[in-house]
Amino acid sequence: QLVLTQSPSASASLGASVKLTCTLSSGHSSYAIAWHQQQPEKGPRYLMKLNSDGSHSKGDGIPDRFSGSSSGAERYLTISSLQSEDEADYYCQTWGTGIHVFGTGTKVTVL
Amino acid sequence: EVQLLESGGGLVQPGGSLRLSCAASGFTFSSYAMTWVRQAPGKGLEWVSAISGSDGSTYYADSVKGRFTISRENSKNTLYLQMNTLRAEDTAVYYCAKVGTSGHDAFDIWGQGTMVTVSS
Repeated sequence: QLVLTQSPSASASLGASVKLTCTLSSGHSSYAIAWHQQQPEKGPRYLMKLNSDGSHSKGDGIPDRFSGSSSGAERYLTISSLQSEDEADYYCQTWGTGIHVFGTGTKVTVL
Repeated sequence: EVQLLESGGGLVQPGGSLRLSCAASGFTFSSYAMTWVRQAPGKGLEWVSAISGSDGSTYYADSVKGRFTISRENSKNTLYLQMNTLRAEDTAVYYCAKVGTSGHDAFDIWGQGTMVTVSS
């Protein structure tokens, strides 16, 4: 079964970095994922598509502060130089034949 | 500018029906798969349904299979979601999203959402 696991919360200070993890279920370690940001009271925003080899393609206008990397079944989103507007929920998403799956989301708090 | 604009949400009684629309602009609509995603109040994102851009194949989450129907009208650049036999647990903001290819891929453009409330 295709499942994505995310930690419920993360926090870091203004100007620091935070690294979020999205883990693919057993047998799905080669899958690509996407990262999406949802700021409070707003709709989701596509950040990037992240492949198993760590290569990624970002959406239009996504700052360089957002980067992705991969290791085995884990997919990471690193946000550097944290800004107040980065306080949001972050969801990973993946897909298979006939199915799309979201992780439960990680709430990032900027201290 | 690439844009998706949902409409059709509202208040409906349990067992009722509603049709959502999503008007697309700024890209070749027929070349891409499209999808619906919902978010119940205070909850995370839940994939609902998708339709391919190539042959119109449709896909559904188990929670809506047999009750919801996704369709598209390429001549009007519009995506639809017909929702029947609505339940309280269908209450959510419904987003349409563009898929990155004609099949299964990342959701790379999102609409602003439309609220559906199922209540008596």
